[in-house]
Amino acid sequence: DIVMTQSPDSLAVSLGERATINCKSSQSVLYSPNNRNYLAWYQQKPGQPPKLLIYWASTRESGVPDRFSGRGSGRDFTLTISSLQAEDVAVYYCQQYYSSPQTFGQGTKLEIK
Amino acid sequence: QLQLRESGPGLMKPSETLSLTCTVSGGSISSSSYYWGWIRQPPGKGLEWIGTIDYSGNTNYTSSLKSRVIISVDTSKNQFSLEVSSVTAADTAVYYCARHFKTGNHGRGYCDSWGQGTLVTVSS
Repeated sequence: DIVMTQSPDSLAVSLGERATINCKSSQSVLYSPNNRNYLAWYQQKPGQPPKLLIYWASTRESGVPDRFSGRGSGRDFTLTISSLQAEDVAVYYCQQYYSSPQTFGQGTKLEIK
Repeated sequence: QLQLRESGPGLMKPSETLSLTCTVSGGSISSSSYYWGWIRQPPGKGLEWIGTIDYSGNTNYTSSLKSRVIISVDTSKNQFSLEVSSVTAADTAVYYCARHFKTGNHGRGYCDSWGQGTLVTVSS
């Protein structure tokens, strides 16, 4: 199984500042024939199901604010929130869908400083 | 707008078989663009992918649960279901059903729509 490791486990950022979450996979999730990274990011607020933010490592889901961006390739990925808003307080998960079983990172809890 | 809703018992005893159903509305489960799957989350912990099924009944399960899990589909009712046999306290979790956008074969894809989840507690 591919192990997904996120860092940090928790993060406190001031409103309006940048937040960056890292995700590293134990093996590459880049599929060379189509040059796509099989990596998604989700946001989960308390008492709610996860919400898809980013897929293919950098494609924003429809309706997701453009302050959310994803980048990276191969084994190393980042989710960046360019200007933190109060409603962004949540736990964020990365997930690989390159191979079965699909696996998630352990989650990063984002709070307001 | 697509909606998924999980249903099933909230409390179970050890060794019983957990059975959950996900009812899909606002879209057809027979679409060839998607898989339909289950993910669970123990209280206060992270997400664990369980498996997926397509409208034809092709399944893909995580290896750690494969011997105890069955996912089935009923296209006439626009529903799919999860069974987990011989449950223990370790199976206590919120169980989510989710639509997976198909990114290739073998039951894989990103989850673009989720149900609200249902808490299943296993306790004697």
